[in-house]
Amino acid sequence: GAVVSQHPSWVICKSGTSVKIECRSLDFQATTMFWYRQFPKQSLMLMATSNEGSKATYEQGVEKDKFLINHASLTLSTLTVTSAHPEDSSFYICSATVGVGYEQYFGPGTRLTVT
Amino acid sequence: GNSVTQMEGPVTLSEEAFLTINCTYTATGYPSLFWYVQYPGEGLQLLLKATKADDKGSNKGFEATYRKETTSFHLEKGSVQVSDSAVYFCAQGGGGGSEKLVFGKGTKLTVNP
Repeated sequence: GAVVSQHPSWVICKSGTSVKIECRSLDFQATTMFWYRQFPKQSLMLMATSNEGSKATYEQGVEKDKFLINHASLTLSTLTVTSAHPEDSSFYICSATVGVGYEQYFGPGTRLTVT
Repeated sequence: GNSVTQMEGPVTLSEEAFLTINCTYTATGYPSLFWYVQYPGEGLQLLLKATKADDKGSNKGFEATYRKETTSFHLEKGSVQVSDSAVYFCAQGGGGGSEKLVFGKGTKLTVNP
């Protein structure tokens, strides 16, 4: 149980375009989902926290107008990278939790390459 | 701010060798501490956790003890297997893991037969 999926697993897009990444909790309802970014050989950095039905909370230094997060249901959150640039190329990972006191379950990640 | 520092890899061991991966943290307050493992091609999985000082987390032969006096949470295993080859991340967070996590950089472990 407690499976989180991400789609797509990898995506290549042209500079200036937007790309949407989906994160789904397959067998549980997630009150909170997190979006992390991982650079090569570096740790995961939290980008934002989203709760179902409310606006996401972004970490300092993360542009909320560039990284749009929508948590429309208890099983789906989306991250849209708008007007992507090569420096946005990275590995994006989501996680989901049932709530306070419960662990986060991680998706397998999405590799984004912007050309 | 809160941070996690773990030993850099990669670490290469022979099967049945003893494993230690060091992890220290800085935090305001008393966070919960975690070790996550990422097998090739898979998402991070919680390996073990400890929520207060002197707690020992254990799972699959791995252990780590929450040491407040040294702000450490070192991961150990007495006899590693080839199947333990993965990247290991130390992390801290609140809410028993349901709040945002601060990760170390990860340590890649390769176990050779």
